[in-house]
Amino acid sequence: DQQVKQNSPSLSVQEGRISILNCDYTNSMFDYFLWYKKYPAEGPTFLISISSIKDKNEDGRFTVFLNKSAKHLSLHIVPSQPGDSAVYFCAASVSGTYKYIFGTGTRLKVLA
Amino acid sequence: DAMVIQNPRYQVTQFGKPVTLSCSQTLNHNVMYWYQQKSSQAPKLLFHYYDKDFNNEADTPDNFQSRRPNTSFCFLDIRSPGLGDAAMYLCATSTLAGTSTDTQYFGPGTRLTVL
Repeated sequence: DQQVKQNSPSLSVQEGRISILNCDYTNSMFDYFLWYKKYPAEGPTFLISISSIKDKNEDGRFTVFLNKSAKHLSLHIVPSQPGDSAVYFCAASVSGTYKYIFGTGTRLKVLA
Repeated sequence: DAMVIQNPRYQVTQFGKPVTLSCSQTLNHNVMYWYQQKSSQAPKLLFHYYDKDFNNEADTPDNFQSRRPNTSFCFLDIRSPGLGDAAMYLCATSTLAGTSTDTQYFGPGTRLTVL
């Protein structure tokens, strides 16, 4: 039972354009969502998060949007840079449970 | 630099031969996690410690055990590795676990091969 789904295993985008990575979840109890970036041979690193009380959170080139009614979140990267090429994981949590459920990841390739 | 360290980075063991993976942290975080990640799959939480309190996931096989002798160290013991246990094992820490501003810090992982 995959509670967090990233249905696109890969995405290619031209440098300078927008990258949009999507994530869907099924558990309506989730109230905190995170995006991680993972380079080969490294562990995932935290990128940006959003609480369910918000529908948008921005940090520089990265913006996460949350649509609670659709149980959908997306990560926008604008403008995309070659260094953004990595695997991106979304994760979801219910506050107070100390548990994070991860999606399967989307491999982003930014073409120069 | 404060960080999460995993040793070894690559571990080869034989079918049925016990193996221990280690994780240490210099962040002084109170929560430590172990995840198993197989190729093209999501990292799967095996268990976590909140300080010394051990929390096992319901579907974590009994073959997997963990020890946390102090704040800095956490070990993953696989008592009798099977071929299906070959995976990347990720250790993570957090300090505000369960709050709305929490984040996890991951180590680089240990890739386990079972022959």
